[in-house]
Amino acid sequence: RKEVEQDPGPFNVPEGATVAFNCTYSNSASQSFFWYRQDCRKEPKLLMSVYSSGNEDGRFTAQLNRASQYISLLIRDSKLSDSATYLCVVTLYNQGGKLIFGQGTELSVKP
Amino acid sequence: NAGVTQTPKFRVLKTGQSMTLLCAQDMNHEYMYWYRQDPGMGLRLIHYSVGEGTTAKGEVPDGYNVSRLKKQNFLLGLESAAPSQTSVYFCASSYDSSGNTIYFGEGSWLTVV
Repeated sequence: RKEVEQDPGPFNVPEGATVAFNCTYSNSASQSFFWYRQDCRKEPKLLMSVYSSGNEDGRFTAQLNRASQYISLLIRDSKLSDSATYLCVVTLYNQGGKLIFGQGTELSVKP
Repeated sequence: NAGVTQTPKFRVLKTGQSMTLLCAQDMNHEYMYWYRQDPGMGLRLIHYSVGEGTTAKGEVPDGYNVSRLKKQNFLLGLESAAPSQTSVYFCASSYDSSGNTIYFGEGSWLTVV
Protein backbone atom coordinates (compact mmCIF):
# COMPACT_ATOMS: atom_id res chain seq x y z
CA ARG A 1 0.00 0.00 0.00
CA LYS A 2 1.31 3.44 -0.91
CA GLU A 3 2.08 5.71 2.01
CA VAL A 4 0.06 8.55 0.53
CA GLU A 5 -2.86 7.93 -1.81
CA GLN A 6 -4.98 10.43 -3.68
CA ASP A 7 -8.14 10.44 -5.72
CA PRO A 8 -7.42 9.38 -9.27
CA GLY A 9 -7.84 12.18 -11.81
CA PRO A 10 -8.27 14.00 -13.96
CA PHE A 11 -10.96 16.31 -12.63
CA ASN A 12 -12.55 18.39 -15.39
CA VAL A 13 -14.71 21.21 -14.01
CA PRO A 14 -16.22 24.44 -15.36
CA GLU A 15 -15.08 27.83 -14.14
CA GLY A 16 -16.77 28.77 -10.90
CA ALA A 17 -17.23 25.18 -9.74
CA THR A 18 -16.26 23.87 -6.33
CA VAL A 19 -13.95 20.88 -6.38
CA ALA A 20 -12.67 18.68 -3.57
CA PHE A 21 -9.57 16.51 -3.46
CA ASN A 22 -9.10 13.72 -0.98
CA CYS A 23 -5.98 12.04 0.32
CA THR A 24 -5.25 9.26 2.80
CA TYR A 25 -1.99 8.41 4.47
CA SER A 26 -1.00 5.09 5.99
CA ASN A 27 1.60 5.97 8.61
CA SER A 28 0.16 7.15 11.91
CA ALA A 29 3.55 8.71 12.72
CA SER A 30 3.00 11.31 10.01
CA GLN A 31 3.87 14.67 11.45
CA SER A 32 3.19 17.46 8.98
CA PHE A 33 0.82 17.74 6.06
CA PHE A 34 0.79 19.87 2.94
CA TRP A 35 -0.83 20.46 -0.39
CA TYR A 36 1.53 21.27 -3.24
CA ARG A 37 0.65 22.51 -6.69
CA GLN A 38 2.60 21.45 -9.75
CA ASP A 39 2.20 23.04 -13.17
CA CYS A 40 3.15 21.10 -16.29
CA ARG A 41 6.92 20.59 -16.52
CA LYS A 42 7.55 22.72 -13.46
CA GLU A 43 8.71 22.06 -9.94
CA PRO A 44 6.15 21.52 -7.15
CA LYS A 45 5.29 24.61 -5.14
CA LEU A 46 3.78 24.75 -1.68
CA LEU A 47 0.11 25.68 -1.84
CA MET A 48 -0.66 25.42 1.85
CA SER A 49 0.11 23.57 5.03
CA VAL A 50 -2.69 21.58 6.63
CA TYR A 51 -3.46 21.90 10.31
CA SER A 52 -5.62 19.79 12.59
CA SER A 53 -8.01 22.67 13.15
CA GLY A 54 -8.44 23.15 9.42
CA ASN A 55 -7.24 26.23 7.61
CA GLU A 56 -8.31 28.51 4.82
CA ASP A 57 -6.44 30.66 2.36
CA GLY A 58 -8.77 32.63 0.14
CA ARG A 59 -10.67 30.15 -2.04
CA PHE A 60 -8.72 27.19 -0.68
CA THR A 61 -9.64 25.22 2.43
CA ALA A 62 -7.64 22.32 3.82
CA GLN A 63 -8.79 19.83 6.43
CA LEU A 64 -6.97 17.14 8.38
CA ASN A 65 -8.53 14.22 10.23
CA ARG A 66 -5.81 12.44 12.16
CA ALA A 67 -8.13 9.73 13.47
CA SER A 68 -9.10 8.72 9.92
CA GLN A 69 -5.69 9.62 8.47
CA TYR A 70 -7.39 11.73 5.87
CA ILE A 71 -6.59 15.09 4.28
CA SER A 72 -8.74 17.17 1.98
CA LEU A 73 -8.47 20.27 -0.18
CA LEU A 74 -11.49 22.27 -1.27
CA ILE A 75 -11.25 24.84 -4.04
CA ARG A 76 -14.19 27.21 -4.37
CA ASP A 77 -15.04 29.36 -7.39
CA SER A 78 -12.50 27.60 -9.63
CA LYS A 79 -10.44 29.75 -11.99
CA LEU A 80 -8.78 28.75 -15.25
CA SER A 81 -5.47 29.43 -13.53
CA ASP A 82 -6.21 26.70 -10.96
CA SER A 83 -5.57 24.07 -13.66
CA ALA A 84 -2.61 22.06 -12.38
CA THR A 85 -1.75 18.85 -10.56
CA TYR A 86 -2.34 18.90 -6.82
CA LEU A 87 -0.05 16.80 -4.68
CA CYS A 88 -0.81 15.63 -1.17
CA VAL A 89 2.37 15.52 0.90
CA VAL A 90 3.27 14.32 4.40
CA THR A 91 6.41 14.20 6.51
CA LEU A 92 7.21 11.65 9.18
CA TYR A 93 8.43 12.45 12.66
CA ASN A 94 12.21 12.47 13.00
CA GLN A 95 12.86 11.48 9.37
CA GLY A 96 15.04 14.35 8.22
CA GLY A 97 12.18 16.44 6.87
CA LYS A 98 11.80 14.34 3.76
CA LEU A 99 8.52 14.81 1.96
CA ILE A 100 6.39 11.81 0.97
CA PHE A 101 4.24 12.58 -2.05
CA GLY A 102 0.98 11.19 -3.29
CA GLN A 103 0.73 10.56 -7.00
CA GLY A 104 -1.13 13.77 -7.61
CA THR A 105 -4.57 14.66 -8.94
CA GLU A 106 -4.84 16.62 -12.16
CA LEU A 107 -7.36 19.44 -12.29
CA SER A 108 -8.51 21.02 -15.53
CA VAL A 109 -10.79 24.06 -15.25
CA LYS A 110 -12.66 24.82 -18.48
CA PRO A 111 -14.27 28.11 -19.58
CA ASN B 1 19.06 35.34 -5.45
CA ALA B 2 19.45 31.93 -7.11
CA GLY B 3 17.82 29.62 -4.51
CA VAL B 4 18.22 26.04 -5.73
CA THR B 5 19.97 25.53 -9.06
CA GLN B 6 20.20 22.25 -10.93
CA THR B 7 22.57 21.48 -13.78
CA PRO B 8 22.19 20.27 -16.42
CA LYS B 9 18.53 20.94 -17.22
CA PHE B 10 18.39 18.46 -20.09
CA ARG B 11 20.57 15.51 -20.97
CA VAL B 12 20.39 12.48 -23.23
CA LEU B 13 22.56 9.52 -22.24
CA LYS B 14 23.28 6.19 -23.83
CA THR B 15 22.74 3.06 -21.78
CA GLY B 16 25.81 2.36 -19.69
CA GLN B 17 27.13 5.93 -19.67
CA SER B 18 27.73 7.75 -16.42
CA MET B 19 26.84 11.28 -15.44
CA THR B 20 26.47 13.57 -12.44
CA LEU B 21 23.65 15.97 -11.68
CA LEU B 22 24.63 18.95 -9.61
CA CYS B 23 22.37 20.70 -7.14
CA ALA B 24 23.55 23.96 -5.62
CA GLN B 25 21.81 26.10 -3.01
CA ASP B 26 22.81 29.49 -1.71
CA MET B 27 20.57 29.60 1.37
CA ASN B 28 22.92 27.84 3.80
CA HIS B 29 20.40 25.01 4.19
CA GLU B 30 21.35 21.88 6.12
CA TYR B 31 18.96 19.48 4.42
CA MET B 32 19.09 18.54 0.76
CA TYR B 33 17.12 15.99 -1.27
CA TRP B 34 17.05 14.32 -4.66
CA TYR B 35 13.68 13.16 -6.03
CA ARG B 36 12.62 11.61 -9.30
CA GLN B 37 9.22 11.98 -10.94
CA ASP B 38 7.80 9.64 -13.54
CA PRO B 39 4.60 10.17 -15.58
CA GLY B 40 1.44 9.96 -13.48
CA MET B 41 3.39 9.62 -10.27
CA GLY B 42 4.32 11.88 -7.45
CA LEU B 43 7.91 12.55 -6.51
CA ARG B 44 9.90 9.66 -5.04
CA LEU B 45 12.90 10.25 -2.82
CA ILE B 46 16.19 8.86 -4.10
CA HIS B 47 18.71 10.05 -1.49
CA TYR B 48 18.90 12.85 1.00
CA SER B 49 21.37 14.60 3.27
CA VAL B 50 20.89 16.16 6.70
CA GLY B 51 24.21 18.01 6.65
CA GLU B 52 27.60 18.35 5.06
CA GLY B 53 29.34 15.00 4.79
CA THR B 54 26.18 12.95 5.45
CA THR B 55 23.91 11.07 3.06
CA ALA B 56 21.08 8.59 3.46
CA LYS B 57 18.97 6.39 1.20
CA GLY B 58 15.45 7.26 0.30
CA GLU B 59 12.69 5.20 -1.28
CA VAL B 60 14.38 4.42 -4.64
CA PRO B 61 18.19 4.60 -4.17
CA ASP B 62 19.28 1.71 -6.43
CA GLY B 63 21.45 2.75 -9.36
CA TYR B 64 22.32 6.14 -7.85
CA ASN B 65 25.07 7.49 -5.63
CA VAL B 66 25.31 10.86 -3.93
CA SER B 67 27.85 13.05 -2.23
CA ARG B 68 27.67 16.15 -0.03
CA LEU B 69 31.25 17.28 0.29
CA LYS B 70 30.26 20.94 0.56
CA LYS B 71 27.20 22.18 2.38
CA GLN B 72 25.91 24.07 -0.62
CA ASN B 73 26.20 21.21 -3.12
CA PHE B 74 24.48 17.83 -3.41
CA LEU B 75 25.60 15.65 -6.31
CA LEU B 76 23.60 12.78 -7.78
CA GLY B 77 25.55 10.24 -9.80
CA LEU B 78 24.47 7.58 -12.24
CA GLU B 79 27.35 5.15 -12.66
CA SER B 80 25.83 3.09 -15.48
CA ALA B 81 22.65 4.66 -16.82
CA ALA B 82 19.68 2.45 -17.67
CA PRO B 83 16.51 3.31 -19.63
CA SER B 84 14.54 2.89 -16.37
CA GLN B 85 16.35 5.98 -15.10
CA THR B 86 14.71 8.16 -17.74
CA SER B 87 12.88 10.65 -15.56
CA VAL B 88 12.64 14.18 -14.31
CA TYR B 89 14.92 14.79 -11.34
CA PHE B 90 14.17 17.45 -8.74
CA CYS B 91 16.55 18.66 -6.11
CA ALA B 92 15.33 20.41 -2.98
CA SER B 93 16.84 22.00 0.08
CA SER B 94 15.44 22.89 3.45
CA TYR B 95 16.38 24.99 6.47
CA ASP B 96 14.96 22.47 8.94
CA SER B 97 13.10 19.16 9.10
CA SER B 98 9.63 20.62 9.54
CA GLY B 99 8.70 20.31 5.88
CA ASN B 100 7.63 23.97 5.88
CA THR B 101 10.82 25.40 4.45
CA ILE B 102 11.59 23.29 1.40
CA TYR B 103 12.66 24.92 -1.85
CA PHE B 104 12.79 23.00 -5.14
CA GLY B 105 15.02 23.40 -8.14
CA GLU B 106 13.47 23.65 -11.59
CA GLY B 107 14.16 20.03 -12.52
CA SER B 108 16.54 18.11 -14.76
CA TRP B 109 15.13 16.10 -17.66
CA LEU B 110 17.17 12.96 -18.27
CA THR B 111 16.60 10.53 -21.13
CA VAL B 112 18.52 7.26 -21.35
CA VAL B 113 18.41 5.60 -24.76
